[in-house]
Amino acid sequence: DTGVSQDPRHKITKRGQNVTFRCDPISEHNRLYWYRQTLGQGPEFLTYFQNEAQLEKSRLLSDRFSAERPKGSFSTLEIQRTEQGDSAMYLCASSPRNTGELFFGEGSRLTVL
Amino acid sequence: AQSVSQHNHHVILSEAASLELGCNYSYGGTVNLFWYVQYPGQHLQLLLKYFSGDPLVKGIKGFEAEFIKSKFSFNLRKPSVQWSDTAEYFCAVNAGGNEKLTFGTGTRLTIIP
Repeated sequence: DTGVSQDPRHKITKRGQNVTFRCDPISEHNRLYWYRQTLGQGPEFLTYFQNEAQLEKSRLLSDRFSAERPKGSFSTLEIQRTEQGDSAMYLCASSPRNTGELFFGEGSRLTVL
Repeated sequence: AQSVSQHNHHVILSEAASLELGCNYSYGGTVNLFWYVQYPGQHLQLLLKYFSGDPLVKGIKGFEAEFIKSKFSFNLRKPSVQWSDTAEYFCAVNAGGNEKLTFGTGTRLTIIP
């Protein structure tokens, strides 16, 4: 399968712990996006990379959140000192160009107890 | 800032019924418009897109959408739905060359056999 892959698919953690999600985009896509989706809502933009450069961050991305794409390939999203409000599905998507046509992974579901 | 409204939260139809899902956006400039679909247990995938040209666009599985600029709308239609169309449908807009895709809250479509 050459689609976008995310790991882990589901993470359960206690409040205050750190978690990290990984995203492997489609190999020829230079753009990579992170979105968050909560129950009953559409995906909300968090951040975007073009190659290794993080070019835009949403105000939703508090100081506890950090994303990297060190070699312009895979990306990680780390959440420090998790809170119950961080419980959500974290979606990664990639794209070969700036048209809004995104290819999504299956998401990483975070449950903070 | 751009925003997207989907007024139908849950639609229930019988097989062979006609479908129209509403989508309105707020942005005064050039937009790219999308419908994404999420089938149960699967990732978000593109259903159809509008960039420019003919305002009536056709997508996969017999879906079509019409861009009406004067109404800021991009409604999704299908003349005869099937049980396999049961899914959640998201309208999205990418405005003014922005990398960010803004999604609506989604419409859950349930088709009764």
